[in-house]
Amino acid sequence: GAGVSQTPSNKVTEKGKYVELRCDPISGHTALYWYRQSLGQGPEFLIYFQGTGAADDSGLPNDRFFAVRPEGSVSTLKIQRTERGDSAVYLCASSLNRLNTEAFFGQGTRLTVV
Amino acid sequence: AQTVTQSQPEMSVQEAETVTLSCTYDTSESDYYLFWYKQPPSRQMILVIRQEAYKQQNATENRFSVNFQKAAKSFSLKISDSQLGDAAMYFCAYSWGPGTYKYIFGTGTRLKVLA
Repeated sequence: GAGVSQTPSNKVTEKGKYVELRCDPISGHTALYWYRQSLGQGPEFLIYFQGTGAADDSGLPNDRFFAVRPEGSVSTLKIQRTERGDSAVYLCASSLNRLNTEAFFGQGTRLTVV
Repeated sequence: AQTVTQSQPEMSVQEAETVTLSCTYDTSESDYYLFWYKQPPSRQMILVIRQEAYKQQNATENRFSVNFQKAAKSFSLKISDSQLGDAAMYFCAYSWGPGTYKYIFGTGTRLKVLA
């Protein structure tokens, strides 16, 4: 596609529920990143994919967070047993490859846990 | 650990004037990348300018330029001839990593442009 697409744009869920956030990167981009941006903060790194594999998941806060990219294109960030502290904007970015450090960002998904 | 610090939570500039946003970082690496990203209310992060640490020449992109001081670990953004459309959050970011190239962002500076 023309840009990085994230769906949904906004998501409200109840505490304890499971959510999935989707990222559709720019066509042909092999590197994909997820970031979390809490209110008043800069984005924080969660996980990086090179192709289908998670090359670096050091930013995932705990085992309730999981991400997949089964065909090396679309990625899904999954959050189990959501907590109010998970409320944030989740940003996805992609780049042509890991050596090309210019990343293109989507508009994010605003997750609100009530 | 690498860190990025933006000490100005908010800045204001008169339309057509010049403003400088500050950023400092900490790293033990000698080769890395620095960025300024703009985030308007739409939430999308938009690349403003990029600097490779091995390049001594400061990067420029039209009205945007940086003052990169490697020894001081300082990376400021200068916006000339400010326009109303420049109003946004600005984030300084650092990138390094042989396997990741993940970004580390500062906390941002909100820029207001006054008509």
